[in-house]
Amino acid sequence: QKEVEQNSGPLSVPEGAIASLNCTYSDRVSQSFFWYRQYSGKSPELIMSIYSNGDKEDGRFTAQLNKASQYVSLLIRDSQPSDSATYLCAVNYGGSQGNLIFGKGTKLSVKP
Amino acid sequence: GAGVSQSPRYKVAKRGQDVALRCDPISGHVSLFWYQQALGQGPEFLTYFQNEAQLDKSGLPSDRFFAERPEGSVSTLKIQRTQQEDSAVYLCASSLEDRLYEQFFGPGTRLTVL
Repeated sequence: QKEVEQNSGPLSVPEGAIASLNCTYSDRVSQSFFWYRQYSGKSPELIMSIYSNGDKEDGRFTAQLNKASQYVSLLIRDSQPSDSATYLCAVNYGGSQGNLIFGKGTKLSVKP
Repeated sequence: GAGVSQSPRYKVAKRGQDVALRCDPISGHVSLFWYQQALGQGPEFLTYFQNEAQLDKSGLPSDRFFAERPEGSVSTLKIQRTQQEDSAVYLCASSLEDRLYEQFFGPGTRLTVL
């Protein structure tokens, strides 16, 4: 069974710190990896996608992918209270035509 | 342009009733997805359309669930004879054909079955 695992948290960091969110997945044929942010009572919003090993940076966000370790992470630099949300890791395993497998999400709280 | 819209936003049904949930994708997005999100969980895939063709319905939990997209635009998810375990938020997402996995989600329909 294809799985995506995340620590449910809550992860609490002070304002201005780096928040590190981690995700592991079970299937080596996974091809595409995504991070979604979901505010309480709202729908998921795509913030990062990563397709190859290494780092991808976009503003304060950096996604890191290590396919050998089946591990993907999201770093948020200079965390702000507005970053407080649940962060969902999603994986596409290929061959299933768009089907994303989501983790349960990690709840992040940034304290002022 | 406008994002993905869904209606109704909230639906309360008595056990055994049929419900229909509507999704209007972003204009020009040929791919449309339905997900179910239970409280405290991540979204779970239900079904996927490319234009009017339903290419994957492997996530539909039972034959009480049915989805259609007859003209390749608006989609309807129908749940027959609702059960309490159907209570969840039903999310619709759409994407461009060449960026299939970069999915944009609608606000969801929160279904409560009493």
